[in-house]
Amino acid sequence: QEKVQQSPESLIVPEGAMSSLNCTFSNSASQSIWWYQQHPGKGPEALISIFSNGNKKEGRLTVYLNRASLHVSLHIRDSQPSDSAVYLCAVSLSSGSWQLIFGSGTQLTVMP
Amino acid sequence: EAAVTQSPRNKVAVTGGKVTLSCNQTNNHNNMYWYRQDTGHGLRLIHYSYGAGSTEKGDIPDGYKASRPSQENFSLILELATPSQTSVYFCASGDPRLGVQDTQYFGPGTRLLVL
Repeated sequence: QEKVQQSPESLIVPEGAMSSLNCTFSNSASQSIWWYQQHPGKGPEALISIFSNGNKKEGRLTVYLNRASLHVSLHIRDSQPSDSAVYLCAVSLSSGSWQLIFGSGTQLTVMP
Repeated sequence: EAAVTQSPRNKVAVTGGKVTLSCNQTNNHNNMYWYRQDTGHGLRLIHYSYGAGSTEKGDIPDGYKASRPSQENFSLILELATPSQTSVYFCASGDPRLGVQDTQYFGPGTRLLVL
């Protein structure tokens, strides 16, 4: 069974700083890796995904994937208080169900 | 924008009672999913469906049944609710025809308390 682990559990950064979140997974044959954002009392919302080794940039977000080391990271440039949320890393399986296996999340707090 | 709605948003049930959680999506997505979210466990898959009439077991199906009567609707049924099923339940939909680009769209969640 695929395992997804996230670190750190909690991250506090000042407004305008770079936020860096990490995720490791157990199966190099996993398909896409997704990052979801979840605000309190809301459902998760997809932010960005990556399939190929390397990096992908969308706005203030950059994702780095290294399949050899089974590691993916999310970097949020110029962090804002509105970015404060739980960030979930999820790995998509190719078993036909396109099931997502989620990590337990990183609580990001951006201080004004 | 994808739309997934859930009802009820909050539910208090008694041990041994029957609970039905409902989900509706207007995205015309084939796949639908039920997850539960607990502190320290993240989101875990309970049941999923490939389309009307189909239901499949996820990673933690014990104590739960699912029903997909139509493309739009997917229900999660707790026949005999137990306190261990107290959790927040999320429904999601996705389009597997998009392959690796498939995005799952989540509803707002149902908070269930079993006393």
